[in-house]
Amino acid sequence: QKEVEQDPGPLSVPEGAIVSLNCTYSNSAFQYFMWYRQYSRKGPELLMYTYSSGNKEDGRFTAQVDKSSKYISLFIRDSQPSDSATYLCAMNGAGKSTFGDGTTLTVKP
Amino acid sequence: NAGVTQTPKFQVLKTGQSMTLQCAQDMNHNSMYWYRQDPGMGLRLIYYSASEGTTDKGEVPNGYNVSRLNKREFSLRLESAAPSQTSVYFCASRWTGINNSPLHFGNGTRLTVT
Repeated sequence: QKEVEQDPGPLSVPEGAIVSLNCTYSNSAFQYFMWYRQYSRKGPELLMYTYSSGNKEDGRFTAQVDKSSKYISLFIRDSQPSDSATYLCAMNGAGKSTFGDGTTLTVKP
Repeated sequence: NAGVTQTPKFQVLKTGQSMTLQCAQDMNHNSMYWYRQDPGMGLRLIYYSASEGTTDKGEVPNGYNVSRLNKREFSLRLESAAPSQTSVYFCASRWTGINNSPLHFGNGTRLTVT
């Protein structure tokens, strides 16, 4: 079983929708949690970086971490066509970084 | 503001040929990494270098070698390419220490081995 499981998608939503992307993990040593956005034919780009349980907001993006449930989420409000990309969750701990397999999101105008 | 730069962007090799993928970062990071990304398998760590002068195997090191040339540069070499090495290769870097920073990635090298 993988240490990080990410909802596979793909997701297709209309412009303006609220999007929820989710990952679960099994390793309690994970301490830092990240979301990366990857456009087609580009490298992953850091979107959100958080350490503690709770919410972190940056513009239209909110990262949520629940360490007791080993569950993290990324919410996108008022989604835009430019948000169409693959989103990767990632976690640091025990001397390594571990990635989810990614969820591909399409936002239709 | 280059960040992590990878060359080449694309490469086609025949089975058995060799090549070196180059990576350089200008963020003064001490740790550098090579990943491969394949459909349905996510990002897998090939090799990493925690500091200048050290390298270690990751999850899928077979068929690859690396060199940490200096603090900025970390190269990945395929000595005898195989079709199974067709993939997108990403170099990444970060600061590791008391406070670890997240990984910063380059834009990848798309390699096809025929």
